[in-house]
Amino acid sequence: KAGVTQTPRYLIKTRGQQVTLSCSPISGHRSVSWYQQTPGQGLQFLFEYFSETQRNKGNFPGRFSGRQFSNSRSEMNVSTLELGDSALYLCASSLQGRVTDTQYFGPGTRLTVL
Amino acid sequence: QQQVKQSPQSLIVQKGGISIINCAYENTAFDYFPWYQQFPGKGPALLIAIRPDVSEKKEGRFTISFNKSAKQFSLHIMDSQPGDSATYFCAAGTNSGYALNFGKGTSLLVTP
Repeated sequence: KAGVTQTPRYLIKTRGQQVTLSCSPISGHRSVSWYQQTPGQGLQFLFEYFSETQRNKGNFPGRFSGRQFSNSRSEMNVSTLELGDSALYLCASSLQGRVTDTQYFGPGTRLTVL
Repeated sequence: QQQVKQSPQSLIVQKGGISIINCAYENTAFDYFPWYQQFPGKGPALLIAIRPDVSEKKEGRFTISFNKSAKQFSLHIMDSQPGDSATYFCAAGTNSGYALNFGKGTSLLVTP
């Protein structure tokens, strides 16, 4: 079956702009998690959605938000972009979202903020 | 605050050698410890995972060793191959939770 897809794959924005990233999970998976990956910090958890509800949120400012639709597709939004937001944003889907469920990652969206 | 500390940051191993990556954690509530492998341009993929009721788990050339008292776990790659060159992340979480805490990653290069 098809894997996790993320769009767009690459994005260039300027400071102060906002951006929306999209994630389509594996069919049948109801949980979507988002992570920020940077060389210095590795993978940092942003938030997790299950059945359109945010169940868990990482330690990121309110500029980072997300949502999940009834078909489990998810979007994350970053407002008022800062240079430090440049990163690879990964989404991962799993059946129920439990830690012990295998998370399947998409290829990520590379965001560059100028 | 990084809840899982991973070392080394980078590692170069000759083909056929053993690659060892170490992780340490503080939160004794963690009871699930997976390792993920990431190739350039790809998302991470689950490699192997262990729970604290066993001290070692082996899958092919990959072995996780777990030391509960020391709150440490490590990944051993036996007979390392150039195709193993990737970034490896350890992670930890609680069985009842929904979020994994990842280490910062180890970039492994296996030279021919």
